[in-house]
Amino acid sequence: SQKIEQNSEALNIQEGKTATLTCNYTNYSPAYLQWYRQDPGRGPVFLLLIRENEKEKRKERLKVTFDTTLKQSLFHITASQPADSATYLCALDIGSGNTGKLIFGQGTTLQVKP
Amino acid sequence: NAGVTQTPKFQVLKTGQSMTLQCAQDMNHEYMSWYRQDPGMGLRLIHYSVGAGITDQGEVPNGYNVSRSTTEDFPLRLLSAAPSQTSVYFCASSTSRQGGKETQYFGPGTRLLVL
Repeated sequence: SQKIEQNSEALNIQEGKTATLTCNYTNYSPAYLQWYRQDPGRGPVFLLLIRENEKEKRKERLKVTFDTTLKQSLFHITASQPADSATYLCALDIGSGNTGKLIFGQGTTLQVKP
Repeated sequence: NAGVTQTPKFQVLKTGQSMTLQCAQDMNHEYMSWYRQDPGMGLRLIHYSVGAGITDQGEVPNGYNVSRSTTEDFPLRLLSAAPSQTSVYFCASSTSRQGGKETQYFGPGTRLLVL
């Protein structure tokens, strides 16, 4: 069955540095991959989507890469701030691409220290 | 728009009791899903729907029923609650309009404790 693994459960970095989170998957070739942010006690919030024919996508201080050969996505937050502290989830489509049927990684909790 | 709303926020059940978790969205989204989230496990898909009257199973459907009689509502039923169903439940919706069918909008969650 499809598996998604995120590189670590927790990542601690200093304010101003770049945070890099990893998402690896197996047994599938998804049409797209998504990244979500989740704060304690709240539902996930969509951040970025990258398609299989896109190598990289950016949104403000966020950058996502997608390597379908390595079956890996990297999520970068540049010039990190304490407000970026949250859990970040990657997700990919396991349906036909028309249903939004997603599976999620277990998440990486990022702590940015002042 | 209120977005995706879920009720109740928190519920305690005894083993064997039944209950319905409510989910509603006011964005006219075709797609709706239910997930559960457990520590260290990430979000796991329970059931999903691509439109009114159409539902299908996700990764972990056992012990749960759904129906979708309207576009707005997608209730999740626990027929006979078990301690293994203690979890946080999230409902989500999405639409193929505006080119964003893949983007899920999540509700605030229902925290369920089964004793």
